[in-house]
Amino acid sequence: GAVVSQHPSWVICKSGTSVKIECRSLDFQATTMFWYRQFPKQSLMLMATSNEGSKATYEQGVEKDKFLINHASLTLSTLTVTSAHPEDSSFYICSARVRGLAGVGEQYFGPGTRLTVT
Amino acid sequence: GNSVTQMEGPVTLSEEAFLTINCTYTATGYPSLFWYVQYPGEGLQLLLKATKADDKGSNKGFEATYRKETTSFHLEKGSVQVSDSAVYFCALMKTSYDKVIFGPGTSLSVIP
Repeated sequence: GAVVSQHPSWVICKSGTSVKIECRSLDFQATTMFWYRQFPKQSLMLMATSNEGSKATYEQGVEKDKFLINHASLTLSTLTVTSAHPEDSSFYICSARVRGLAGVGEQYFGPGTRLTVT
Repeated sequence: GNSVTQMEGPVTLSEEAFLTINCTYTATGYPSLFWYVQYPGEGLQLLLKATKADDKGSNKGFEATYRKETTSFHLEKGSVQVSDSAVYFCALMKTSYDKVIFGPGTSLSVIP
C-alpha cells in the first residue's frame, strides 16, 4: 500500500530555534499533502493544506509565518516551525493524497513527529 | 458546518468482548465516511471506509455500516483482542478534494 514517511520521528529543540519536519510519499505521487497537529489525548487539528508547486492554504488561527510549509515536489513537503516555543510542543502528523486516484481521494498518514521545545 | 461526534472514552473491555463505538456525523449530501486507528506513539492508519449509503466497510474483523437515515457510522467488532487497544477516530470527507474532518477519538483498552 501507499507509504508516507516523516523525519525526524522525534526532535527536541531549544526555545527560539527553528526545526524542519519532512513528509515524504515513498511509493506514490501526492498532489496534496496535509499537516495536522495533535495534542495529547485529543483529535487531529488540520493546520494547512499543501499543493505541489503552490502556496499552502492555512486553516483559521494557524500562523503562516510561524509554520512554514513548502511542497517542492510530488513526493516531499516540509513543515518548518520557526522560533519555536514550549507551547509549540506537540505531535505533528502529515498525510498525502494519492495523485490521480479515481473515486475517493484517500489520504495516507505518516507516523508523526514528536516535537518538544525546551 | 460539517462535524463528527463520537462516544466518549476511554472504553475498557475484556478480551473477546463485543465492541461498539458510536459515531454520528453532520454534513450535507453524501460524504465518505472513515474509521482510522492510532496505536500508541504512531500515526493514523485507515481501518475501513464507506462511500455511499448502506455500504458496509470491513477490515480485520471490524465493521461499520453507513446509515444515512440516522447519519451514523458505528464501529463494531465481535471479539476484541488486546492488540486492538488503540485510539479510534471516525471521520468524514465531503468530496475527493476536501479535507478530512475527524471526530475527537475514542480510546479503547482491552484487558486480558
